[in-house]
Amino acid sequence: AQSVAQPEDQVNVAEGNPLTVKCTYSVSGNPYLFWYVQYPNRGLQFLLKYITGDNLVKGSYGFEAEFNKSQTSFHLKKPSALVSDSALYFCAVRDGTGNQFYFGTGTSLTVIP
Amino acid sequence: SQTIHQWPATLVQPVGSPLSLECTVEGTSNPNLYWYRQAAGRGLQLLFYSVGIGQISSEVPQNLSASRPQDRQFILSSKKLLLSDSGFYLCAWSVLGKKNSYEQYFGPGTRLTVT
Repeated sequence: AQSVAQPEDQVNVAEGNPLTVKCTYSVSGNPYLFWYVQYPNRGLQFLLKYITGDNLVKGSYGFEAEFNKSQTSFHLKKPSALVSDSALYFCAVRDGTGNQFYFGTGTSLTVIP
Repeated sequence: SQTIHQWPATLVQPVGSPLSLECTVEGTSNPNLYWYRQAAGRGLQLLFYSVGIGQISSEVPQNLSASRPQDRQFILSSKKLLLSDSGFYLCAWSVLGKKNSYEQYFGPGTRLTVT
């Protein structure tokens, strides 16, 4: 069965410090991995994806994520956090042949000025 | 470019009343379409998805239903709302196998409050 785990409900980081939001996954076959961000009362916005190729993928707003097949992880990172990065972040996986996406429970990121 | 619309943005309905939420996509053809519900600002619950006109897969048995009367139109309905139907409803679309695809794109959402 496909699943995604985001072990941290809440992450706090000081402005200017690097941030990491963790995600691990379980999927049969090759995974397609995604990160989304959600601001209050808004839809989810696509940040980045891993489909194939380089394990380090870069996305919108300076975010990047590293695909680690042996650890089945896809952690979201940013070298220097901004207050405006404060939001709810979702990791998602889609198996190579399926139509469904499986989302984690979300991690609330707060960047402290 | 592709866009996705949802309406209404906000809805307050009494218990037992009917519901109709609409989602339309522009700029793509034959998309997969999805309805999610998000309760308390956290996890997403997949309600329905559709791979084509008239093809609906239900993920959670409940008093909601979905229909896809046209290729880029997806409707979420209920005959009688329950208090537990309150939440933030999100529509999304995706395609598979085309350049710059694979991911889902979400609409702005509908905030439903059942009173």
